[in-house]
Amino acid sequence: AQTVTQSQPEMSVQEAETVTLSCTYDTSESDYYLFWYKQPPSRQMILVIRQEAYKQQNATENRFSVNFQKAAKSFSLKISDSQLGDAAMYFCAYSPGATNKLIFGTGTLLAVQP
Amino acid sequence: GAVVSQHPSWVICKSGTSVKIECRSLDFQATTMFWYRQFPKQSLMLMATSNEGSKATYEQGVEKDKFLINHASLTLSTLTVTSAHPEDSSFYICSARRAQGASYEQYFGPGTRLTVT
Repeated sequence: AQTVTQSQPEMSVQEAETVTLSCTYDTSESDYYLFWYKQPPSRQMILVIRQEAYKQQNATENRFSVNFQKAAKSFSLKISDSQLGDAAMYFCAYSPGATNKLIFGTGTLLAVQP
Repeated sequence: GAVVSQHPSWVICKSGTSVKIECRSLDFQATTMFWYRQFPKQSLMLMATSNEGSKATYEQGVEKDKFLINHASLTLSTLTVTSAHPEDSSFYICSARRAQGASYEQYFGPGTRLTVT
């Protein structure tokens, strides 16, 4: 079965500092996508960053970057220069290329301290 | 672009009644829509995949006779919770995939909070 594991239920970071959220996944597929989604208190799901499994280069989006270790099935999210608006629940998600379904991890609640 | 709406945003119903939730793609055509359920402080769990013009595909453990899904057009999918019970109280979220564009892109609606009394 395909599973996504986020081992950090809660994390805290000081404003302007850097924080890394962990995610591991299990799959036997070779074609898949990985995502990080942000869910603020409004509960609207917001795509933070995406990684295609066939790409070796780590994805980056402004202050957000990932460390994709395919062999280790690890996909961590680094948030640089943390801002108060980054406080939210962060979900790691896996999508098999054939079905486009999203399988979510249990989430990490990120608090940003001023 | 790529806006998905849900209606209603919040609904309260009595046990034993049915409630319908709509998911609309406002500015694009969606061949596929997904329905998720999220209990408080938990993750999103995929309930079913809805393809326009065909029967929905339900995930294991989801009662298809209780959660009726209809995807009658390229911009509208509906989820009907039949004979609702308090344990069906949850946050229901839909997402939509464009008819054209990258296959992995999904756009999420704002969710519907269902409370069954």
